Amino acid sequence: DVKVTQSSRYLVKRTGEKVFLECVQDMDHENMFWYRQDPGLGLRLIYFSYDVKMKEKGDIPEGYSVSREKKERFSLILESASTNQTSMYLCASSLGTFRYFGPGTRLTVL
Amino acid sequence: TQLLEQSPQFLSIQEGENLTVYCNSSSVFSSLQWYRQEPGEGPVLLVTVVTGGEVKKLKRLTFQFGDARKDSSLHITAAQPGDTGLYLCAGHRGSTLGRLYFGRGTQLTVWP
Repeated sequence: DVKVTQSSRYLVKRTGEKVFLECVQDMDHENMFWYRQDPGLGLRLIYFSYDVKMKEKGDIPEGYSVSREKKERFSLILESASTNQTSMYLCASSLGTFRYFGPGTRLTVL
Repeated sequence: TQLLEQSPQFLSIQEGENLTVYCNSSSVFSSLQWYRQEPGEGPVLLVTVVTGGEVKKLKRLTFQFGDARKDSSLHITAAQPGDTGLYLCAGHRGSTLGRLYFGRGTQLTVWP
């Protein structure tokens, strides 16, 4: 069965902290994505990667970076967390056009 | 500007009622997908439609892709509490990697 896992379901951090969100997929998919989901705004693409060590900016990359050192793992990094980054973060992988999503990480920045 | 507009944003109905959710755009899509997201979980793909005018059925759920491939609808017959969730449409416009455009979603609550 297809599986995308995220390292934490809930995370609370302080303003200014460096935050790492980890995502792992077991489907050998080339493409991986990070989205954030906010009420009334839907899903917005932060970054995506179509191969190891490759990354592309999505619609809202400011304040975020990513790392993809292995095919199965895609990390989202908040260099200096701010309160406006409080959100639900969803990782996804894909082979074709549709996405397999992880369960999400609800991040609160105080 | 949102490429895909979903309506209604919220829907609260009694068990047994029928409902339709709409996903509209002024742009043409090569395919449209529908996802359902339950509280505390990620979205799960329900269906993909790729041909203009296509109708797909998944038990009590009927999905339709508009003839011009600019819109889609999801109809649920005899809704059940287990149908409660956030329904998202998402459109793909071609081969550009990463470009799956999501609507803002319809939050459906079905009361017993």
